[in-house]
Amino acid sequence: AQSVTQLGSHVSVSEGALVLLRCNYSSSVPPYLFWYVQYPNQGLQLLLKYTSAATLVKGINGFEAEFKKSETSFHLTKPSAHMSDAAEYFCAVSPSGSARQLTFGSGTQLTVLP
Amino acid sequence: GAVVSQHPSRVICKSGTSVKIECRSLDFQATTMFWYRQFPKKSLMLMATSNEGSKATYEQGVEKDKFLINHASLTLSTLTVTSAHPEDSSFYICSARDRPDGDGYTFGSGTRLTVV
Repeated sequence: AQSVTQLGSHVSVSEGALVLLRCNYSSSVPPYLFWYVQYPNQGLQLLLKYTSAATLVKGINGFEAEFKKSETSFHLTKPSAHMSDAAEYFCAVSPSGSARQLTFGSGTQLTVLP
Repeated sequence: GAVVSQHPSRVICKSGTSVKIECRSLDFQATTMFWYRQFPKKSLMLMATSNEGSKATYEQGVEKDKFLINHASLTLSTLTVTSAHPEDSSFYICSARDRPDGDGYTFGSGTRLTVV
């Protein structure tokens, strides 16, 4: 069984400030972890993924996330927020090495204030 | 990179009619596709896993006779909402694994279904 918890359904930051979106997972097997971004009325775009290689993963648009097994966390960060980062962000987990589907967190709406 | 095309992006239909949503993998073969439903300001809920050449696997609570899934080729899966009702109004998104043994999932752009 696997699940994902995203702490904070809404996060607001000022433009230029650090972005931190939290994700904790639960998985009975070694997980693969993902962060997706969704803009209104659009599908999901992959930001980055962890697949048991380096624990610090760099993604697109300046985002990165660190897999911390001891904390069962995979928090998403970006040093400096941009207005275009305003969107919904989803953390997801899947069991490694299988064809099983993703399990999504409840999402975090990021607002970037001017 | 892998691209999944989903069509239509928006559809409005009358209550009692059926609507078909298509999901195509444009530059790869997708033996497995996934159909999700997303309620406003909510996460994605997996409805079913579509396997090419076989019956779809539905998640608990999803009516298979209402949400018909066909995956007749390696590049096309369809979701048909039969006898649609206003409560079926939602955002539907498909996804495909970009390699049979891979860890990548590519998403379509979604379909906004409104039943009036």
